[in-house]
Amino acid sequence: KNQVEQSPQSLIILEGKNCTLQCNYTVSPFSNLRWYKQDTGRGPVSLTIMTFSENTKSNGRYTATLDADTKQSSLHITASQLSDSASYICVVSAGRSQGNLIFGKGTKLSVKP
Amino acid sequence: NAGVTQTPKFQVLKTGQSMTLQCAQDMNHEYMSWYRQDPGMGLRLIHYSVGAGITDQGEVPNGYNVSRSTTEDFPLRLLSAAPSQTSVYFCASSYGTGKETQYFGPGTRLLVL
Repeated sequence: KNQVEQSPQSLIILEGKNCTLQCNYTVSPFSNLRWYKQDTGRGPVSLTIMTFSENTKSNGRYTATLDADTKQSSLHITASQLSDSASYICVVSAGRSQGNLIFGKGTKLSVKP
Repeated sequence: NAGVTQTPKFQVLKTGQSMTLQCAQDMNHEYMSWYRQDPGMGLRLIHYSVGAGITDQGEVPNGYNVSRSTTEDFPLRLLSAAPSQTSVYFCASSYGTGKETQYFGPGTRLLVL
């Protein structure tokens, strides 16, 4: 069964610190992996999209990595800010159809001053 | 561009009532989807459309109907609301289903009593 597992479920860090969120997947066939940021009460916003051949992608202070061999991805946030407080969702595409997007449950990040 | 818009933002229904959740996008995207988001669960696909006149079922389609008469609009109909349909509903659109960015609307919070 296609699955996307994220860890940790929740995380609290101090402003200015770095953190790394994990995503493990068992999805076949693999098309691409996405990371979304979802602020409370809002819709998800795309951060990065990576295909099989891409092993790193950056978007400002967000850097995503992909290891297609071990089927793992991580999202690294550098110099966290209060505005980074949100849920971060890992999504794996199992093919060229919107019906094939597999969503993780997300990691809830709280950045404290 | 307004992006993806959804109305209403919040709705309370009684069991058995019907209603339509509206979704519109002004980006000329072919692909549109409806998701529901429940606490502790990832986003789950209800229905999706690959273009005007073409729709398909997602993971949790029971109790919901959709139609796509124009590229811009993709309404979701609840024919007879049930408490199990209490959720937050998100509409999303994208230019394609490969590596294209998926844009989400702000969501509709639905409470069925």
